[in-house]
Amino acid sequence: AQSVSQHNHHVILSEAASLELGCNYSYGGTVNLFWYVQYPGQHLQLLLKYFSGDPLVKGIKGFEAEFIKSKFSFNLRKPSVQWSDTAEYFCAVNAPNSGYSTLTFGKGTMLLVSP
Amino acid sequence: DTEVTQTPKHLVMGMTNKKSLKCEQHMGHRAMYWYKQKAKKPPELMFVYSYEKLSINESVPSRFSPECPNSSLLNLHLHALQPEDSALYLCASSQGQGAFYEQYFGPGTRLTVT
Repeated sequence: AQSVSQHNHHVILSEAASLELGCNYSYGGTVNLFWYVQYPGQHLQLLLKYFSGDPLVKGIKGFEAEFIKSKFSFNLRKPSVQWSDTAEYFCAVNAPNSGYSTLTFGKGTMLLVSP
Repeated sequence: DTEVTQTPKHLVMGMTNKKSLKCEQHMGHRAMYWYKQKAKKPPELMFVYSYEKLSINESVPSRFSPECPNSSLLNLHLHALQPEDSALYLCASSQGQGAFYEQYFGPGTRLTVT
């Protein structure tokens, strides 16, 4: 079974700082990778996803993530954060070639951006 | 319309009550999901329906009973819950059950069991 670990539970940044949230997964086979965001009081939304191809994936709101297969990592980045990026961020993985392909989420990283 | 709706938004119930959570989507999706999310934790999969048939039950206690009356609706019937079942219950849907389909999440029902 696959598992996901997110390195930081809480991150505090000032506006305009650069962001990198770590995500590592554990699974030997082919994986699909996702980053979801949950703004305060709102539902989970997909930020970006990687299935195959270019390992640098661009998502909504200026976010991007890089899949590094050798490191089993899929870190989320944004060059300059805004106060409105305050939210909880979840990395998730599924395994398309396994018996059934359910999403496994990491524990989440709470990002607080101060104005 | 890329919306998954859930009712009610909040629910408080006693341990002897019977209640139901409702989820609806009109995107023509054929897979629907129930997740449970405790505070400060990631969502955990409970059930998956594919083409209105239960395809995955993640060893959920029988006090949770899912139902998919049609392709747009998903219910979760609750009976004899415990206080530790208090959580945010999320519904999601996707075009199909396969790994390449994006899941769209609803806002959740915040359940408190007293």
